[in-house]
This record gives sequence, structure tokens and C-alpha cells, in this order.
Amino acid sequence: SQQGEEDPQALSIQEGENATMNCSYKTSINNLQWYRQNSGRGLVHLILIRSNEREKHSGRLRVTLDTSKKSSSLLITASRAADTASYFCATAHNAGGTSYGKLTFGQGTILTVHP
Amino acid sequence: EAQVTQNPRYLITVTGKKLTVTCSQNMNHEYMSWYRQDPGLGLRQIYYSMNVEVTDKGDVPEGYKVSRKEKRNFPLILESPSPNQTSLYFCASRGGGLAEYEQYFGPGTRLTVT
Repeated sequence: SQQGEEDPQALSIQEGENATMNCSYKTSINNLQWYRQNSGRGLVHLILIRSNEREKHSGRLRVTLDTSKKSSSLLITASRAADTASYFCATAHNAGGTSYGKLTFGQGTILTVHP
Repeated sequence: EAQVTQNPRYLITVTGKKLTVTCSQNMNHEYMSWYRQDPGLGLRQIYYSMNVEVTDKGDVPEGYKVSRKEKRNFPLILESPSPNQTSLYFCASRGGGLAEYEQYFGPGTRLTVT
């Protein structure tokens, strides 16, 4: 089954509003990463948060991680039309075994920002 | 420029005709992997490689082969493609020994098997 699952599946907002996407996972992780994908293109790494971190910022992005609830959220502040894309969380498992180095992706949230 | 390249970008083929999708990275990364992306299923890992001559199965390896003879290249081979392998394929690479680093993705190969 999928390790990371995003919520909502789709989000539609106006330019200037904030967008919040959530990700839940099932087993312990080494870190959690967020990626962005423009339609039909490759994924681009946005931000990585380690299991011992609770919050991280990068420009207009803010990521939180709650390991007790096995969940993370990505907040995009002051959204722009250019932020329109799919956003994926990906969980990285701890080293060792067949899960070594593996990233497991959720199904993504489709974000549409209207100008 | 640091990048992962894939070729071809688009491919239409017929059932049973062997094909290879190439992947190359110029970042001297040890770790490379292949994913397929299907609607409603997200990205699923097909195979991965931790270094030259070291490969292992991901979540959906059936019907695929890989090889890692050189550090920069990680081709994906479909010996006898079938329609259920119609998908969008991504190659990715990262450095580092543990899963603590971002992955760099190629632009994708859209494969259609008729």
C-alpha cells in the first residue's frame, strides 16, 4: 500500500491565498520530502525535513512534520498562478534491508491557482 | 548543468517488440532508480541501483530489466512490452549513502504499447 497519502486530492484557490496540503504515512521514516510536478514533466525537489525536525522553511514554503501522528503538511503562502502543479510527498525509509534508500510517493495533490 | 536525461521522450511501440529507454546523469551520483507514473497510482518504483553492478527490485519490477555497467547510465529494458506497460516513466538519481538527499528526476518518457 502507499506509504504517503496526500489530502486533499485537488485544491483550487485564488492568487494570493495560502495553500495547505497534507500527507500521512504509515511506518517510521528517515525523512520526508516534497516534490512538485508541472503537467507531464519530471518532479522537482522542493524541501526535505528529517525525522528529528518539526518545521522547515524555504521561501514561501513551510513544511511541518509530526512523527507522533505520522503526518506532514506543506504550506505555500501568497500563492501565484505559477504555483499551479501537482505536489507529492515522498517518504524515505531508514537504512537497511530492501527499503534502503527508497522513496515512496503518495498520489499527489493537484493545486490550481487562479489569477 | 546538473541533469538527468532520458531518451526517447515519447515512444509508441507494439506488443512484444523489445525496447530500451536510456537514462544518464552527470552528477556522479551513486543511486539511480526508475519509476512509473500512472493516474490514480502515483509514482511506483520499478528498479533501483545503489552503485555500479548493484541493482535491486522495486515495487513493480515484473516485465522490466535494468543494468548498471557505468555509474552515469541506468537503462530500462522491456524485453517483451505489453499494453499494461503503457505509462509515463521517470529516471531519478541522488548522491549520498543514505536516503538523506533529494532525488533529481529526468523529464520523463511517455510510452504507449499497442
